[in-house]
Amino acid sequence: NAGVTQTPKFRVLKTGQSMTLLCAQDMNHEYMYWYRQDPGMGLRLIHYSVGEGTTAKGEVPDGYNVSRLKKQNFLLGLESAAPSQTSVYFCASTRAGSYLNEQFFGPGTRLTVL
Amino acid sequence: KNEVEQSPQNLTAQEGEFITINCSYSVGISALHWLQQHPGGGIVSLFMLSSGKKKHGRLIATINIQEKHSSLHITASHPRDSAVYICAVFSRPFNSGGSNYKLTFGKGTLLTVNP
Repeated sequence: NAGVTQTPKFRVLKTGQSMTLLCAQDMNHEYMYWYRQDPGMGLRLIHYSVGEGTTAKGEVPDGYNVSRLKKQNFLLGLESAAPSQTSVYFCASTRAGSYLNEQFFGPGTRLTVL
Repeated sequence: KNEVEQSPQNLTAQEGEFITINCSYSVGISALHWLQQHPGGGIVSLFMLSSGKKKHGRLIATINIQEKHSSLHITASHPRDSAVYICAVFSRPFNSGGSNYKLTFGKGTLLTVNP
């Protein structure tokens, strides 16, 4: 099993450009999450999904959109990138059913917006 | 005030020392997650606790629900333990009627173990 994978690993954008980050998991997990990690701050939830075809906002959703057309994939989109979106983005997944279910994290995507 | 506070923020130790990292929280239900983030950035789960104590190799995690406090201990520390250790608390539910919860993360403790 590959676990949770993220594409790309690194990206540099100019202000106003758009891009999509792809998260894929092969563990048949129902729940998937997108987090951002910034220096001096804890991981913060951007959006999440509790199943195929469903998405919801987390703590810091502004400027991002998501889609979950297939159970194994969770896409994070930036329509018009801003320097404030420079961050490391982590995707995670977990089984549904218990708050004790382990979250599995992807390796992260380092995004720089100039 | 942050909902999850970790101390210390930075910790430097000599190989072989006993390490303690603390986590206090003001929200949450009854479970806590300890994570390890290596210098390369990858995040792995170490423990999930809802009560008492858990042990895995040289790592021990304890939680006191009444005091809203958890500790992560590393015995006989080694340079390969150098990493950021992150505490996260299971807080309010995602969706009404749902059984899963979101994690509220601490800022992390940077541990450096010197040989």
